[in-house]
Amino acid sequence: EDQVTQSPEALRLQEGESSSLNCSYTVSGLRGLFWYRQDPGKGPEFLFTLYSAGEEKEKERLKATLTKKESFLHITAPKPEDSATYLCAVQGGANSKLTFGKGITLSVRP
Amino acid sequence: DVKVTQSSRYLVKRTGEKVFLECVQDMDHENMFWYRQDPGLGLRLIYFSYDVKMKEKGDIPEGYSVSREKKERFSLILESASTNQTSMYLCASSLSGGASGYTFGSGTRLTVV
Repeated sequence: EDQVTQSPEALRLQEGESSSLNCSYTVSGLRGLFWYRQDPGKGPEFLFTLYSAGEEKEKERLKATLTKKESFLHITAPKPEDSATYLCAVQGGANSKLTFGKGITLSVRP
Repeated sequence: DVKVTQSSRYLVKRTGEKVFLECVQDMDHENMFWYRQDPGLGLRLIYFSYDVKMKEKGDIPEGYSVSREKKERFSLILESASTNQTSMYLCASSLSGGASGYTFGSGTRLTVV
């Protein structure tokens, strides 16, 4: 059974204080690892897909990296508008279903 | 811009009512999913469908059913709403194989009183 564990559950940062969110996973045959951003009361919004260990992707202040056991979402010099819940999900084998972690709630104080 | 549209953002229903939540996607995706999301429990899969007229149970199907008569539309039905079904309901769709990930709707906040 595929499993995803995200840590910490919640993270509070000062504006400009860089940090990383962790996503540890176990999956049989990784087809893709996905990061989503979710604002309160809204549906998750796609950020990145990573397919193989060593891959990195960037978007503005966010950078996602992948190893064989975990993924990190690095946030550089965050701003208050980066406050949201960040979800990680994996897809294994030929199964189309994603397995989601419980998310990390990020708060960035001005 | 590709979209998954859920018919209602907020819904209040009474215990025992039959409730229909509608989801429509305009991306010609084969796969569609219904989740509920609760604090501390994350996203939990209720039902999914890989094709028209097909449906499969997810992790928490009890008290729910689904209908997929057309490729673009996937409906979630609460046969007899109960207070423990108060939740945020999220619909998602993906291409066959799903390697491109899911596209989610904006969610329906359902309150059962």
